[in-house]
Amino acid sequence: QVELVQSGTEVKKPGASVKVSCKASGYSFDNYYIGWVRQAPGQGLEWMGRTSSNNGDTNYAQKFQGRVTMTTDTSTSTAFMELRSLTSDDTAVYFCARDRDCSTGVCSDYWGQGTLVTVSS
Amino acid sequence: DVVMTQTPLSLSVTPGQPASISCKSSQSLLHSGGKTYLYWYLQKPGQPPQLLIYEASRRFSEVPDRFSGSGSGTDFTLKIGRVEAEDVGIYYCMQGLHLPRTFGQGTKLEIK
Repeated sequence: QVELVQSGTEVKKPGASVKVSCKASGYSFDNYYIGWVRQAPGQGLEWMGRTSSNNGDTNYAQKFQGRVTMTTDTSTSTAFMELRSLTSDDTAVYFCARDRDCSTGVCSDYWGQGTLVTVSS
Repeated sequence: DVVMTQTPLSLSVTPGQPASISCKSSQSLLHSGGKTYLYWYLQKPGQPPQLLIYEASRRFSEVPDRFSGSGSGTDFTLKIGRVEAEDVGIYYCMQGLHLPRTFGQGTKLEIK
């Protein structure tokens, strides 16, 4: 069965960086993208971007361009999302999700459990 | 970016009664290949979103048949035939045709 397991809770100070991991299993990792979505406390879902596990291609939401890097390690079927220059507005739960171009099949179908990132001085 | 607008933002339903949520997109979600890339998710308290409906009307794996999706172009509806207690949570629509992917604000379903 498809499973995405994310790294644990992080507490960071303003200006720091955070790197969240997402380990995939139960499917051919390099046939899909991994997308990242975040959810601030009590708020809705915000798409951050995605990265191809096949060739490393990335698509970032303009809001995060220059501040986020999404990568994958095919040897361990793990994806990473690094967010830099953190502010309190980045306090949120960060989700990874298996993804693909929706025109090629079901996209954003399986999600990780979420990683809480708290930014506080 | 494509703006997704859901209504209502909350609803309270008696178990066994139907429920309906609307989602409107600022651009058509019809792909040149003929499919429509509108997705519905349910986020139960403390959990990640779970996929219910893809391509506007297709139920995802193991989703109960009381959930149905309809619509085309820019107007979509999620219907729950008979609401059960386990259906509580926040429902989101998402468009998958354009990047960035965008979500509706969410509709909170509670049980009376």
